[in-house]
Amino acid sequence: AQKITQTQPGMFVQEKEAVTLDCTYDTSDPSYGLFWYKQPSSGEMIFLIYQGSYDQQNATEGRYSLNFQKARKSANLVISASQLGDSAMYFCAIGEIQGAQKLVFGQGTRLTINP
Amino acid sequence: DAGVTQSPTHLIKTRGQHVTLRCSPISGHKSVSWYQQVLGQGPQFIFQYYEKEERGRGNFPDRFSARQFPNYSSELNVNALLLGDSALYLCASRLGTGRSNQPQHFGDGTRLSIL
Repeated sequence: AQKITQTQPGMFVQEKEAVTLDCTYDTSDPSYGLFWYKQPSSGEMIFLIYQGSYDQQNATEGRYSLNFQKARKSANLVISASQLGDSAMYFCAIGEIQGAQKLVFGQGTRLTINP
Repeated sequence: DAGVTQSPTHLIKTRGQHVTLRCSPISGHKSVSWYQQVLGQGPQFIFQYYEKEERGRGNFPDRFSARQFPNYSSELNVNALLLGDSALYLCASRLGTGRSNQPQHFGDGTRLSIL
């Protein structure tokens, strides 16, 4: 079975600072994908970034980067130059490389950006 | 292009009733997944359909069922509703079942309240 652990229930950060959201995972699958989603208070889940277990380089998408440490089974999300609009719930998820891609989500971290 | 659309946005039912939730995927996407998100938790996988066939099922009772139509839209049905079925139901679509760097894109969800 796959499992995601997000140990930070809430984080408060000043605008324009960088922030790291922690995610550790557990899986017995040799190959897998790691995903981060953002969920504003309106409810929709917005895809942010993906990292494949065999990818050699850390993924980056604009202000988002994923600090992937396979040996430690961690996939932390880094948001650079935070903005007020980044305030939301952030979920880390793990899924299969192919097939149904049944995503297993963590409990989430509520990020609040202060002006 | 339109994103994933779900209807209705909100629904109130009483215990024992039946409910049908609907989802239209992004144009060209053939895979649809359903998730249940209870307040304060991450989403939990319910079903995945691809080319009208069930390709994955989560740990949910038989009261939950789904189907996918020839136009790739999908319905989630829940019978004999319980108070614990109160949740945000999210639909996600994906291009296919190939490489996992094709992420799932979520709709805004249907918020179901059971009285």
